[in-house]
Amino acid sequence: GAVVSQHPSRVICKSGTSVKIECRSLDFQATTMFWYRQFPKQSLMLMATSNEGSKATYEQGVEKDKFLINHASLTLSTLTVTSAHPEDSSFYICSARGLTGGNNQPQHFGDGTRLSIL
Amino acid sequence: AQSVAQPEDQVKVAEGNPLTVKCTYSVSGNPYLFWYVQYPNRGLQFLLKYITGDNLVKGSYGFEAEFNKSQTSFHLKKPSALVSDSALYFCAVRDSMNRDDKIIFGKGTRLHILP
Repeated sequence: GAVVSQHPSRVICKSGTSVKIECRSLDFQATTMFWYRQFPKQSLMLMATSNEGSKATYEQGVEKDKFLINHASLTLSTLTVTSAHPEDSSFYICSARGLTGGNNQPQHFGDGTRLSIL
Repeated sequence: AQSVAQPEDQVKVAEGNPLTVKCTYSVSGNPYLFWYVQYPNRGLQFLLKYITGDNLVKGSYGFEAEFNKSQTSFHLKKPSALVSDSALYFCAVRDSMNRDDKIIFGKGTRLHILP
């Protein structure tokens, strides 16, 4: 149980392109999803917390107009990197937490999206 | 404020030997503690958690972790390492005093199991 699917797994595109990444909870409903960015050989950096039906909460230093997050249903959140540039190249990972059990339940992670901007 | 530290960038252990990956934390309230493992180009997989109760927590793939309140530690252990345990391990913490949902990850420890 508790499977999170993230798509696509890899994207290579030209500078200036907008890229959408999907994060789906397959066998559970998630009121809260998280978006992380991971640089090589580094830990995860939380970008934003996404709550179903409301605006995402962005971490300090993360441009909300650059990284658009939509959490339209209890099973789907999307991250759109708008007008991507080479410095946006990174490994993006989403996670989701189920409805039951409260805030001390573990997050379940997708397999990540490797974004490469040429 | 909550924080978590993994003092070792990497740990090398011979196959069959016991392994320990260290983690210490700092919180204002009670800690909710987690261990995750990451294989190359993959997301994180949940291994185990400590919320309350027994200090020794057993998790996936034969891993366990011991919560030590006095030392504010939550070290990950396995009695007999396998080559397939080689991966990047993250400790994470959430402070019960925080009203938000965020958990903080350590910088990760790369575990090398030598055949």
